[in-house]
Amino acid sequence: GAVVSQHPSRVICKSGTSVKIECRSLDFQATTMFWYRQFPKQSLMLMATSNEGSKATYEQGVEKDKFLINHASLTLSTLTVTSAHPEDSSFYICSVPGRGDGYTFGSGTRLTVV
Amino acid sequence: GENVEQHPSTLSVQEGDSAVIKCTYSDSASNYFPWYKQELGKGPQLIIDIRSNVGEKKDQRIAVTLNKTAKHFSLHITETQPEDSAVYFCAASISTGGGNKLTFGTGTQLKVEL
Repeated sequence: GAVVSQHPSRVICKSGTSVKIECRSLDFQATTMFWYRQFPKQSLMLMATSNEGSKATYEQGVEKDKFLINHASLTLSTLTVTSAHPEDSSFYICSVPGRGDGYTFGSGTRLTVV
Repeated sequence: GENVEQHPSTLSVQEGDSAVIKCTYSDSASNYFPWYKQELGKGPQLIIDIRSNVGEKKDQRIAVTLNKTAKHFSLHITETQPEDSAVYFCAASISTGGGNKLTFGTGTQLKVEL
């Protein structure tokens, strides 16, 4: 599978501010990346599919204006949580499809909005 | 869309015993079934996967079985060790060589007791 780097691992921000999370594919050019959100003791829920050079595809119920996704290159996708609120506090994880069927996940970002 | 159910939600075994986690899926078109291990505060890591043209796959102490007719697949861990303690997720995908989204099960908290 691909080698994936996700940053930051933890971030605390004030309510109303924006936070950017980066997901890098270090050894594989990915035209598609995925962003997930995971609440404590729950499963991973797909938020959106990041498409290189075009608009992201959002899952039902995910606000595209709140969760901005940019996939400007084949190795980098970013997720920006805009005007963050305490209910946005969660564990955000990116995923990169590799060669064949495999998917590699980033190490996750713990976002805490205070 | 695809729906994946996973059981049990928690599983406690004695060290050295076997552990079995079961999943069912709804979409008969799904053809790729990975299993992930997630430790606290980390991203999921692929431990084994199986494609629909195979009924069973084994990698040392870990094995996965697939019953396409019944649309269920299972993870088997033998000779469990304390370091196997983690949350395990099954997933299903319609694979066309990468870029297809995964649907996750609800997770199983495995605890291996000394």
